[in-house]
This record gives sequence, structure tokens and C-alpha cells, in this order.
Amino acid sequence: NAGVMQNPRHLVRRRGQEARLRCSPMKGHSHVYWYRQLPEEGLKFMVYLQKENIIDESGMPKERFSAEFPKEGPSILRIQQVVRGDSAAYFCASSDSNQPQHFGDGTRLSIL
Amino acid sequence: DQQVKQNSPSLSVQEGRISILNCDYTNSMFDYFLWYKKYPAEGPTFLISISSIKDKNEDGRFTVFLNKSAKHLSLHIVPSQPGDSAVYFCAANTRGTGNQFYFGTGTSLTVIP
Repeated sequence: NAGVMQNPRHLVRRRGQEARLRCSPMKGHSHVYWYRQLPEEGLKFMVYLQKENIIDESGMPKERFSAEFPKEGPSILRIQQVVRGDSAAYFCASSDSNQPQHFGDGTRLSIL
Repeated sequence: DQQVKQNSPSLSVQEGRISILNCDYTNSMFDYFLWYKKYPAEGPTFLISISSIKDKNEDGRFTVFLNKSAKHLSLHIVPSQPGDSAVYFCAANTRGTGNQFYFGTGTSLTVIP
């Protein structure tokens, strides 16, 4: 998993707080994806971004969740007013166009 | 809507034997398929892929078979080794329509020494 860097690895928030998850893609990759893995479930697609553009956000919950991939800096997945059901592992992946995605080691979000 | 399905949540195999992991998909437009391997507390790692123009792709101990008419693919690992114990995800997408990949729910493989 070298190359795609996610931080923090673990994040604890209380209900109602905001969570910010960061992802730095592999060098040279311009496509970033966010996935969520709930306990005992598979990877669920959330959003696909290219630099400064959201290409597909069909997997994002309609409220409280947002993502960005600015021209400079990492991609950010932001969850506002977190609830217990947001507890999950959030994985970021990056790719070059039409190539396999490379994943980071994830951020484990726990909501108290 | 689960477009990629892995109906076996777990599989146990003796070391040295063959492991066969299965994956079914519903979208006939998918033309690119991948397998990922995931260890606990790590992200998935790309293992092997196959394009729909092929029905088989081999890389060392790993072979992926694609049956387009049945919308089915499988991953064969032979011989299986204890280090292969992990969760395996299959994924699919349609090249040319965007880069979204659809993942199955995973199969947990245990290779027994």
C-alpha cells in the first residue's frame, strides 16, 4: 500500500462533531476515490474525484458528507455532525486513468 | 444495488491445495475485472486483473478466469499458502465510462497449515 497516504489512521469523535479525513494520492495519480467499509460488509463506493472536480458522488450520503480534491494538497472527506452510524473504516484509493486503484491503509473512525 | 457479488463470505483450504474464490456480476457492460487482497488493518492490495477480451489471466500462483456468458469470474490460487490467508475482493468497471469500480463484499480465505 506504499504511496497512498491516509491520515489519521484512527479518529475518535463525539456525536455532533466534525470529522476530516485526508488522503494524499500516489505521485502522478490524478484520480481519487473514497470508500467506506462498515463492520462485516464490503467496500462501498462513495465518491470519485479528479483535481478540483467531483466526477461521481453517487455513493455519498446526501447530507453531512462532502469531499474535495483541491489543486494543491490532499483530498479531504468531511463528515459534519457525526452520528454513531458513521463509525467505519474509510479507504482512499488513487489511480492513473483506467488503471487499477491503489489503496491507502484507511482511517478508522469511531464515534462515541 | 449490489452489482458485484461474492456469495461465499468465507473459505478454508489446506495448505498446498487449490483455493477457488468466486464472483458474479450483473452488469453486462463491465469489461474490466480485478481482484484485491486485504489483510486486517491494511488497505486492499491489487492482485490481478482481466479484460473482457480474455477468458484467462495468469500470474504465478494466481489465475483469474472470466466467463462472460455466465457473468462469472473466479480466482484460483495454487498451491495455497498460509500467507494467502486474507479477505479477497473482486471488483469490476466499464472502461470508457468513468473510473468507478464496483466491489463485492469479500471472501475471507483461511489457509490451514
